[in-house]
Amino acid sequence: KQEVTQIPAALSVPEGENLVLNCSFTDSAIYNLQWFRQDPGKGLTSLLLIQSSQREQTSGRLNASLDKSSGRSTLYIAASQPGDSATYLCAGGGSGGYQKVTFGTGTKLQVIP
Amino acid sequence: EPEVTQTPSHQVTQMGQEVILRCVPISNHLYFYWYRQILGQKVEFLVSFYNNEISEKSEIFDDQFSVERPDGSNFTLKIRSTKLEDSAMYFCASTESGNTIYFGEGSWLTVV
Repeated sequence: KQEVTQIPAALSVPEGENLVLNCSFTDSAIYNLQWFRQDPGKGLTSLLLIQSSQREQTSGRLNASLDKSSGRSTLYIAASQPGDSATYLCAGGGSGGYQKVTFGTGTKLQVIP
Repeated sequence: EPEVTQTPSHQVTQMGQEVILRCVPISNHLYFYWYRQILGQKVEFLVSFYNNEISEKSEIFDDQFSVERPDGSNFTLKIRSTKLEDSAMYFCASTESGNTIYFGEGSWLTVV
């Protein structure tokens, strides 16, 4: 059974700082790893998807990496902005398209102007 | 960009009443899911649906829950007799095989 953990649970940084969010998973037979953003009371916005055969994905100021052997993924946010304030969730996908993803507990990020 | 749409955005219901939450997945997607998030807790998997049948369900998805794809576009979650602990945000999601999972904005269910 896949277990996904995110550390830290909350993070507060000044605007402009680069930061790293961490995600750990227990089952290395992960199919893919997806990072989401959730604003308060809102839905889940997909940020990046890394397939198991990939090491990293980039989108704008975001870079996500995947290391299956160590059971870790990181989300790097460059030059953080107040608009980045949200909860960031990682989710590990099982094999096959119909398999569920398992979510971590999330990291609540606050970027202070 | 295509999106998953959910209705209603918020529903308040009395304990014991039946509730149906509706979702329109992205049109060319084949795999559909329901997840829920109790306030302040993790997003939890409820059920996955493929080829007009349930492919996997969690222990949360007991006999009080059912899913249906009544036509080519809608995907519904029914809770037959709601309990206070069913109060949560319910998310519908869809995907092509092995690719990005897209989530809807969610339906807030409050059971009183």
